[in-house]
This record gives sequence, structure tokens and C-alpha cells, in this order.
Amino acid sequence: DAKTTQPPSMDCAEGRAANLPCNHSTISGNEYVYWYRQIHSQGPQYIIHGLKNNETNEMASLIITEDRKSSTLILPHATLRDTAVYYCIVRDSGAGSYQLTFGKGTKLSVIP
Amino acid sequence: DTAVSQTPKYLVTQMGNDKSIKCEQNLGHDTMYWYKQDSKKFLKIMFSYNNKELIINETVPNRFSPKSPDKAHLNLHINSLELGDSAVYFCASGQRGYYEQYFGPGTRLTVT
Repeated sequence: DAKTTQPPSMDCAEGRAANLPCNHSTISGNEYVYWYRQIHSQGPQYIIHGLKNNETNEMASLIITEDRKSSTLILPHATLRDTAVYYCIVRDSGAGSYQLTFGKGTKLSVIP
Repeated sequence: DTAVSQTPKYLVTQMGNDKSIKCEQNLGHDTMYWYKQDSKKFLKIMFSYNNKELIINETVPNRFSPKSPDKAHLNLHINSLELGDSAVYFCASGQRGYYEQYFGPGTRLTVT
């Protein structure tokens, strides 16, 4: 699986868009980009995933660059409840066990 | 309705004891997982299990064993507890073939 690199921490003002970057320069053609988050003292929560097209759901948008070497998770209007650790995970659709491998993630602090 | 539930939420026990953590999912998923989050907040896969296949992370001691009475339940049994087993244990479920997983609230295990 491709390795991912994320900044260790970021701040965002409440109500503004939070843009969380992820670098996955060694990603291969079959690998999807998944985003999860973990709010303090809770289990991880699935947010969104994509292969090469941009994706949007009720929680966030995922922008993947054309070369697929990086992506950005966008929370359009961050609230205090979005304060969490955000994990970018790259996995092959044919990997078999479908286990998730979590890195250190980005700790997002939404500031009032 | 809670999608993935775990009991107990907190578990304090002494070294050498045997304990179990229960997990139930009502999402109709065919695969369940156990993850361990240590004091440094690293989240690591321990097991993935469906009715056909158990995949064990090679770093997991054989004192840990998953037990599945049916497709909706995957319990974690731990023998001869050690201080280093203290962590938060998360159960998750998903559909085989997909990395979208749903996590329980976690069980904080403290071994004294």
C-alpha cells in the first residue's frame, strides 16, 4: 500500500472551510484514498473515499489531483464538533483482508 | 439504534486475569474487526473475521482470541492479561470488499 504523509496539526476558524492535505506520491492505479476521523474518546468515523474523481457527500468533499499523488479533504463550514484527528488512508481495492492501516493523521483544531 | 456496540465501556482488571469484550453490529455486515489503540494513540488492526476467514495480525499474541457466535457478534477474549495490554480496543464492521468500516465506541482496558 502507498504511504501517506499528512501535517501533524492544523487550525481552522469556526465557520471557515478546513482543507486537510494528504500526500500519497507512490499511489498505484488500483488504490483508493479513504478519509476517516476520530473525535476525542470516540471510535474512528468513515468520511469519504475516492479513486480519481472528486467526491462529495454530506460530510465533506474530496479533491484528488489529476496525477493522484495528493488529495485534499475539505470540510466546507467547520464547526467545533469537527475538532478531531483526520486520517488519510490509501488501500488497494483487491487487498484481500480489507484491514485499515492508520497513520498518525492530522489533528484539526477548530477555533471559535 | 447503535450500529456497532461494545461492552463493557471500561474494564479494570489485574494482571493474570482472563477477560472478554463483546461486540455486536446490526448493520448486516459480513466482516468484523478488532483494533487496538495504545497510549500513544496509534490505531492498529488485530483481527479481521468473517464466516469464512480469520486473518490475524502477526504481532498479536496468541493470548488474544476472537470468538464469533454468529455473523453479528465478534467477541475478544484475552488470557493472562499483562500490563502492556492496557489500551482502548475498538470493534468495527464492514462489508467484505470495501474499506468503509463502522466503529464501536471502544472499550478502555486497564490492567493493574
